[in-house]
Amino acid sequence: GENVEQHPSTLSVQEGDSAVIKCTYSDSASNYFPWYKQELGKRPQLIIDIRSNVGEKKDQRIAVTLNKTAKHFSLHITETQPEDSAVYFCAAGTALIFGKGTTLSVSS
Amino acid sequence: DAGVIQSPRHEVTEMGQEVTLRCKPISGHDYLFWYRQTMMRGLELLIYFNNNVPIDDSGMPEDRFSAKMPNASFSTLKIQPSEPRDSAVYFCASTTLPIVGYTFGSGTRLTVV
Repeated sequence: GENVEQHPSTLSVQEGDSAVIKCTYSDSASNYFPWYKQELGKRPQLIIDIRSNVGEKKDQRIAVTLNKTAKHFSLHITETQPEDSAVYFCAAGTALIFGKGTTLSVSS
Repeated sequence: DAGVIQSPRHEVTEMGQEVTLRCKPISGHDYLFWYRQTMMRGLELLIYFNNNVPIDDSGMPEDRFSAKMPNASFSTLKIQPSEPRDSAVYFCASTTLPIVGYTFGSGTRLTVV
């Protein structure tokens, strides 16, 4: 079955800096790769996703890149703001398997 | 649409008791997933259904766990008997094809004492 590794587990940045979170997956048949943001005590919320026929996708300050050959994908957040502080999860597979999460802290 | 509805929001029960968690997916979504979230293990996929049929239950931790989906608008996750290590947040999520993410419910926070 699918296995998803995510790193780093924690990430601290200054407001305005960029943040990058990386994930690898094991199942070459996976073709859908979403990213979720989870604030404390709340449900995971989809922030961006990418499919295997696309190498990069951008939505304002958030971008995701996918390298199918290497089986890894990354989340890039530019111009970080304190409200970006949360836990971020990557996922892969038809039945989504999630990474262990990255706790992002943005200090002002 | 009201989104994915889970009940109860919080459940505190004593070890050995039966616990039933409930989920109503978004109307028209034909995939339903149950996840368990803990600090140690993250978000674990327990089981998922397609058109009310269980497709993969390999994530169900033990025979104490069972899940059903009697119709397209209702699913249950049952733990019998419950144990303290079952304490976690249980999320239900639904989607349809082509997938545009899963919509998660608010979760049920289960505490077994």
